[in-house]
Amino acid sequence: NAGVTQTPKFQVLKTGQSMTLQCAQDMNHNSMYWYRQDPGMGLRLIYYSASEGTTDKGEVPNGYNVSRLNKREFSLRLESAAPSQTSVYFCASSESGFGNTIYFGEGSWLTVV
Amino acid sequence: QKEVEQNSGPLSVPEGAIASLNCTYSDRGSQSFFWYRQYSGKSPELIMSIYSNGDKEDGRFTAQLNKASQYVSLLIRDSQPSDSATYLCAVKAGGTSYGKLTFGQGTILTVHP
Repeated sequence: NAGVTQTPKFQVLKTGQSMTLQCAQDMNHNSMYWYRQDPGMGLRLIYYSASEGTTDKGEVPNGYNVSRLNKREFSLRLESAAPSQTSVYFCASSESGFGNTIYFGEGSWLTVV
Repeated sequence: QKEVEQNSGPLSVPEGAIASLNCTYSDRGSQSFFWYRQYSGKSPELIMSIYSNGDKEDGRFTAQLNKASQYVSLLIRDSQPSDSATYLCAVKAGGTSYGKLTFGQGTILTVHP
């Protein structure tokens, strides 16, 4: 029962480097999400994909890009990492439609120095 | 105005007391409402979901929704030290933002013996 799997779990980047966070779900969900979590800020939505083939900006999209590669996979890319992007990143998925539960991955701890 | 706001914490209650957590939201088109619990260093886990006005009870937890006032709350009866965690309110949008799930900043709850 893998659920939502995200990699890597920990990463240290230098300012200006790029990287991609990978996320895959095996629950056949239509919707997928990327959040970041900073102390005292709750979970802030970066991008979401309501269904395969669509992506939309969330609350804090600047500095990020996403790709919904297929129904299973939703990746988050930092093109030029900045210290302000130091955070914990959570990928999540849910069935589309009214009231369906969101399932979270275990999180990726990213530090930009 | 933030889309989802929670009462500022931290909240401290004695063991056995009722803990009351509150949340307001700005989008009147919101369709689904959720409460998540998050332990330190872990991913959020769903406690309750509510979709219709009124109360919904599940064990020691009661969620209350008032769409006219754009207000949702969570009551935890007979609070236990194991309930100590951050509680996140989440609201799922409808309309043109269908599928978007927005979180509040979280309320830290401490239950002391």
